[in-house]
Amino acid sequence: GENVEQHPSTLSVQEGDSAVIKCTYSDSASNYFPWYKQELGKGPQLIIDIRSNVGEKKDQRIAVTLNKTAKHFSLHITETQPEDSAVYFCAATPEGQGFSFIFGKGTRLLVKP
Amino acid sequence: GAGVSQSPSNKVTEKGKDVELRCDPISGHTALYWYRQRLGQGLEFLIYFQGNSAPDKSGLPSDRFSAERTGESVSTLTIQRTQQEDSAVYLCASSTRLAGGSYEQYFGPGTRLTVT
Repeated sequence: GENVEQHPSTLSVQEGDSAVIKCTYSDSASNYFPWYKQELGKGPQLIIDIRSNVGEKKDQRIAVTLNKTAKHFSLHITETQPEDSAVYFCAATPEGQGFSFIFGKGTRLLVKP
Repeated sequence: GAGVSQSPSNKVTEKGKDVELRCDPISGHTALYWYRQRLGQGLEFLIYFQGNSAPDKSGLPSDRFSAERTGESVSTLTIQRTQQEDSAVYLCASSTRLAGGSYEQYFGPGTRLTVT
């Protein structure tokens, strides 16, 4: 089955700097990769996702890159702001299958003002 | 529109008691998932419902845990004879199949269960 590893487990950056979180997966059949942001006391919220037919997707300050050959994908946050502080989870799932959302263990991002 | 809702938001119970947690998915979402999240930890899959198919119960940690779903609507997660290690946030998510075959999950706010 799929296994997703996420690094780092914690990340502290200065406001305005960039933050990068990396995930690797094991199942080559996985081709949908969402990222979730979880703020304190709330459920995870989908912030961006990427499918295997593209290598990069961008939405304002957030971007995700995918390397299918190496089986890794990354979340990039530019110009970080204090409100970006949260726990971020990556996931991988085979396209077309309702289940098999395998999550990474999460990265706690702290943006210091 | 309305998102996934869960109730109660918080539940404190005594060890040995049964609890029932409720999830209302987004209308029209065929898939529903339950996860457990211990303090500071990641998401632990519990159970998955897809339409009228048999649920995938492979993540349930013991026979004290069970879940039901009526059609494509409300789901309840029941924990019998609660133990202190059951203390966690229980998250529900629903999803629907998009064009292209992928699914996007939407999470509820969770129920924080504390077993004393």
